[in-house]
Amino acid sequence: DVKVTQSSRYLVKRTGEKVFLECVQDMDHENMFWYRQDPGLGLRLIYFSYDVKMKEKGDIPEGYSVSREKKERFSLILESASTNQTSMYLCASSLSDRLGWGYTFGSGTRLTVV
Amino acid sequence: EDKVVQSPLSLVVHEGDTVTLNCSYEVTNFRSLLWYKQEKKAPTFLFMLTSSGIEKKSGRLSSILDKKELFSILNITATQTGDSAVYLCAVEESGTYKYIFGTGTRLKVLA
Repeated sequence: DVKVTQSSRYLVKRTGEKVFLECVQDMDHENMFWYRQDPGLGLRLIYFSYDVKMKEKGDIPEGYSVSREKKERFSLILESASTNQTSMYLCASSLSDRLGWGYTFGSGTRLTVV
Repeated sequence: EDKVVQSPLSLVVHEGDTVTLNCSYEVTNFRSLLWYKQEKKAPTFLFMLTSSGIEKKSGRLSSILDKKELFSILNITATQTGDSAVYLCAVEESGTYKYIFGTGTRLKVLA
């Protein structure tokens, strides 16, 4: 069974901490994405990557950075966590093919910044 | 600006009812539209639609796309409590591999 695994289901961090959210996929997918999901706002794209060592800003990249050193792993970094970054974070991956087959999602990380 | 709008935002029905969820979009160079079901955690894939007028079916769920009027509907017949979830619509802009999501419709089915 193919999987996208996010390392933590729940995290509580303090304001100002550096936070790492990890995502690993075992499907050899080229594309990986980080979204945050907030009530009334839906899923908003933070960063994405089409290949190793490659990254692109999404719609709301401020306060975040990413790292993709290996094809299977895509890390989201909150440089200095703030309370407005309290959210559900979803990682997704997909294949680069002609049809665009949609995402496989991880189970999500619910981050609370206090 | 590209956008995807879902309606209603929330819906409460009784078991056995039929529901219709709506998704309208304004996306440059449309390629595909996806429907997902999200319960407690990861969204799970329901349908991918690329062509107008062709209904996709899976059990009690069905969906159709209208590329002229820029919308899709998701129908659920004979609803069950297990259908309670947030239903997400997402549209891909051709060549980007990125999906733009709507805010979702929260469906609650009462026994």
